[in-house]
Amino acid sequence: GQNIDQPTEMTATEGAIVQINCTYQTSGFNGLFWYQQHAGEAPTFLSYNVLDGLEEKGRFSSFLSRSKGYSYLLLKELQMKDSASYLCAGRYGQNFVFGPGTRLSVLP
Amino acid sequence: KAGVTQTPRYLIKTRGQQVTLSCSPISGHRSVSWYQQTPGQGLQFLFEYFSETQRNKGNFPGRFSGRQFSNSRSEMNVSTLELGDSALYLCASSSRVGNYGYTFGSGTRLTVV
Repeated sequence: GQNIDQPTEMTATEGAIVQINCTYQTSGFNGLFWYQQHAGEAPTFLSYNVLDGLEEKGRFSSFLSRSKGYSYLLLKELQMKDSASYLCAGRYGQNFVFGPGTRLSVLP
Repeated sequence: KAGVTQTPRYLIKTRGQQVTLSCSPISGHRSVSWYQQTPGQGLQFLFEYFSETQRNKGNFPGRFSGRQFSNSRSEMNVSTLELGDSALYLCASSSRVGNYGYTFGSGTRLTVV
């Protein structure tokens, strides 16, 4: 299978930095996506990594290590509105496989 | 500009029936993807269409099918409905193939009884 694993829940404090990890099976892997989904809403695309390294977009950064089957999403200067589920998804051939999502709670 | 529009928003069907869901992408977007989201399985990719051709496909049975029209509008059909097909079906559109930069619609919530 093409298992995508990520922690189920995380909690962090407003203003802090949080790192959400994602591991995936490397066989057939083509790229990795991160999505944000607020409760009751549709997902929103955050990032897509194909090559190793860190890509930064404002307060959000995404890292990929293809050889290790590992990615993380880094959120800086956390705000209350960042409370949401973060979905990691891998591209395998013509298929896209999603992880279970990490529910992040940002506390004041 | 208008976002991705999915119709209907809510639907109740009986086991064994078939259902057709509709998705109108953002104007100018030629790629449309479909996803199923359930509490137990999470978000799962169904298929992606670009310029009326299926370009990518997830691991769903043949009861799930789709098509895209020349105006980029897409429909998804599920035949012989099962209770487990109850889910939120999301459509997303993009100007590119490949699942990135997508804008999602609000979804159609299908309940099979």
